Amino acid sequence: EDQVTQSPEALRLQEGESSSLNCSYTVSGLRGLFWYRQDPGKGPEFLFTLYSAGEEKEKERLKATLTKKESFLHITAPKPEDSATYLCAVQARTNAGKSTFGDGTTLTVKP
Amino acid sequence: ETGVTQSPTHLIKTRGQQVTLRCSSQSGHNTVSWYQQALGQGPQFIFQYYREEENGRGNFPPRFSGLQFPNYSSELNVNALELDDSALYLCASSLGEDQPQHFGDGTRLSIL
Repeated sequence: EDQVTQSPEALRLQEGESSSLNCSYTVSGLRGLFWYRQDPGKGPEFLFTLYSAGEEKEKERLKATLTKKESFLHITAPKPEDSATYLCAVQARTNAGKSTFGDGTTLTVKP
Repeated sequence: ETGVTQSPTHLIKTRGQQVTLRCSSQSGHNTVSWYQQALGQGPQFIFQYYREEENGRGNFPPRFSGLQFPNYSSELNVNALELDDSALYLCASSLGEDQPQHFGDGTRLSIL
């Protein structure tokens, strides 16, 4: 069964203090790994898709990387508006359409 | 470009009742997925519809059922509601089964 574990559960940073969020996964043949951001009371918002080990994607202060067992979301010089829950999800080649999500990392950035 | 819209935003039901939740997909998206999200947890996959056919199902009992219409909008039906069904129900649309998903803001269902 596909599994996704995210750590830490919660992360508090000062504005400008860079850090990384971890997503460890077990899947029978990775089709894709997805990162989403979720604000309170809202649905998740798509950030990145990664398909193969070694791949990297960047958007503003965020950079996602992928290995065969985990993915990292690096946040460089975060701002208070980056505060949100960050969710990681995987899709397996053998399980059409199903996305398995982790429980997320709640990031708080203090000014 | 119109995003994913869900209705209603909030709903209160009692045990044993039935409920229907609705979702309008983003323009041009032919795939709709439904998720259940409990407080403090990640979304749990219920099922996906692609061009009106079920295209994958998670570990949910048969009392959770769905439909997709020719305009790609969708419904989630839950029969014989239980207390544990209280959650946020999210709908997501995409251009295909393995494409990035665009989520609505969900329906908050409370079972008394």
